[in-house]
Amino acid sequence: LAKTTQPISMDSYEGQEVNITCSHNNIATNDYITWYQQFPSQGPRFIIQGYKTKVTNEVASLFIPADRKSSTLSLPRVSLSDTAVYYCLVGGFSGGYNKLIFGAGTRLAVHP
Amino acid sequence: NAGVTQTPKFRILKIGQSMTLQCTQDMNHNYMYWYRQDPGMGLKLIYYSVGAGITDKGEVPNGYNVSRSTTEDFPLRLELAAPSQTSVYFCASKLRDPNSPLHFGNGTRLTVT
Repeated sequence: LAKTTQPISMDSYEGQEVNITCSHNNIATNDYITWYQQFPSQGPRFIIQGYKTKVTNEVASLFIPADRKSSTLSLPRVSLSDTAVYYCLVGGFSGGYNKLIFGAGTRLAVHP
Repeated sequence: NAGVTQTPKFRILKIGQSMTLQCTQDMNHNYMYWYRQDPGMGLKLIYYSVGAGITDKGEVPNGYNVSRSTTEDFPLRLELAAPSQTSVYFCASKLRDPNSPLHFGNGTRLTVT
C-alpha cells in the first residue's frame, strides 16, 4: 500500500495560489492519485484525480512528475471558503487497491 | 439520487450498550467503506466491502462488525460500546473502476459515556 505524507498545516491569504505537496514514494504502477477536501462536520468530497503529468478542472490543478513519487495540488486564488483539510489518497489496481487508507491530511487556513 | 445516506446523525450510548450505524447508497456502487474520525484527526478505515457477501478488515476493526447482504446497504455494528469509540463515523462508496472517486455520507456523531 502506498503511504502518503503531507504537511500538517499551511496558511495563506485570500487571492494567493496555494500548492500542497503529497509524497508517495512507493506508489505502484497502476495507482491513481486522488485529492479530497473536508470541511468541519462534513464528509470529504472529491476535488481532482490524476495518473501522470497535469490535470486541471474548474477548482484545482494537479501536477504529477514523471517518477510519480509525489503530487502537488494547486488551488488558484484561494478564498476564505477554501479553509479546509485536504487529503491525498493513492490507490489503483495494485495489491490492496480496495483498502483505501487516508493519510493525516493538510489543514489549510486562509486568512483575510 | 440521494447518494450515501447515514443514520442516525447523532447518538449517545452508555458504556456496554450496542448499536448499528446504518449506511445505504443508491448509486449501485460495488465498493463500500466505513471510516472513523476522531476530533482533529484524519480518517481511519474500519471495514470495507467489495460486494454483497464480501467484507474485509481495515486499519482499526476491533470492536466493530459489518455485514453486506445487499449492494445498497452496509451497516456497522458496535458491540459493547467503549469511550474509545467516541468518534464521527463516515460511510463511503465507489464504483469498481480504479479511477472512480469515493462518495461520502454526512457522518454519524457517536458519543459513548
